[in-house]
Amino acid sequence: DIEMTQSPSSLSVSVGDRVTITCRASQTIARYLNWYQHKPGKAPKLLIYAASSLQSGVPSRFSGSGSGTDFTLTISSLQPEDFATYYCQQSSSTPPSFGQGTKLKIK
Amino acid sequence: QVQLQESGPGLVKPSETLSLTCSVSGGSISSYYWNWIRQPAGKGLEWIGRTHTSGGTNNNPSLKSRVTMSVDTSKNQFSLRLSSVTAADTAVYYCAREEWLTYWYFDLWGRGTLVTVAS
Repeated sequence: DIEMTQSPSSLSVSVGDRVTITCRASQTIARYLNWYQHKPGKAPKLLIYAASSLQSGVPSRFSGSGSGTDFTLTISSLQPEDFATYYCQQSSSTPPSFGQGTKLKIK
Repeated sequence: QVQLQESGPGLVKPSETLSLTCSVSGGSISSYYWNWIRQPAGKGLEWIGRTHTSGGTNNNPSLKSRVTMSVDTSKNQFSLRLSSVTAADTAVYYCAREEWLTYWYFDLWGRGTLVTVAS
């Protein structure tokens, strides 16, 4: 199975900050990497698929990059509604697997 | 728009079978893969398995042969059965739609339902 490692596990940030979250795969996964946003009590939401493709309806302040084993999710200017937990997920092989999550906290 | 809603008992006794249903509204259940994913409290997301209206299924080997999934196209629902549950199966269970094009991703999720395994 492919193990996904996210860092950091939590981040204290302010509105307007530029935020970068990293995700590393235990073996190469090309661009089979997706990012999700999850708020308590809500359905997780797909933000980015195929490493850098923005899902329809997702604000352009979200972007993704990377290939192979190292990936990043960037929020260019954090908005109040962006405080949530973010997960990466590999879809290169079955079983699909997730990172442990990065929780954005208000500084 | 398409929405997913999980339903089922919130409490299951140890050694019994957990049964959940995901209802798909606003769209057809055909032509996608349908998944179950869970999250124990304080832990990460774990993929349980996927099923398709064609009858194909894949399960997470970590759950061995305890998982059964099925699709009911007449009701626009799909279901999960997890047998011989223990406290380790206590989690929030999510259903999710998986898009399979050039890349694969979970593009739609339900809000999740908490299932507690306890006597």
